[in-house]
Amino acid sequence: ILNVEQSPQSLHVQEGDSTNFTCSFPSSNFYALHWYRWETAKSPEALFVMTLNGDEKKKGRISATLNTKEGYSYLYIKGSQPEDSATYLCASYAGNNRKLIWGLGTSLAVNP
Amino acid sequence: DAGVIQSPRHEVTEMGQEVTLRCKPISGHNSLFWYRQTMMRGLELLIYFNNNVPIDDSGMPEDRFSAKMPNASFSTLKIQPSEPRDSAVYFCASSTTGNSYEQYFGPGTRLTVT
Repeated sequence: ILNVEQSPQSLHVQEGDSTNFTCSFPSSNFYALHWYRWETAKSPEALFVMTLNGDEKKKGRISATLNTKEGYSYLYIKGSQPEDSATYLCASYAGNNRKLIWGLGTSLAVNP
Repeated sequence: DAGVIQSPRHEVTEMGQEVTLRCKPISGHNSLFWYRQTMMRGLELLIYFNNNVPIDDSGMPEDRFSAKMPNASFSTLKIQPSEPRDSAVYFCASSTTGNSYEQYFGPGTRLTVT
């Protein structure tokens, strides 16, 4: 994998549902994986920065895991709320040029 | 702290005109990033600075784009001459110690070139 890929591209869930998204990234020369939350008409805000294989981080109802050997990270949202509606971006910091490469995001809509 | 400050918030200009976007990073942050957001390509890194020095400008689309960071508290992104395809939202972000730390984004400048 040369680029950062996110799936699904978009997701619609009902309030109270739990959901998860995937971020795939180059596993060679890995340095860090970022997750950001981007609400419409606002700026991206950092959720997590993860560096260690097997790392798990949690912030309220949102958590993330990291597998650097196979090059993927999962973001989980437990009991989705309408205010969770946003685009969730991941970005990988890796490679010899140590450049942050961004995925296109997963757009989440939570219906009340 | 006021966060990352960008100006103007909106810019409408005619093709061929020069456009200058401004950014003030968070005090104490030594890395600054310029991004462009489009529907087709998502968030693209244009250039980033570390300690006021440009580190990677490979994302700058062409010679019409230039960026400077004369000091730790100010950066500009200039487009000359502007073209309609430059229409996008341009974000500035700052962080401590390069890409391994979370970035704090400004509110963005929405540029429309007619």
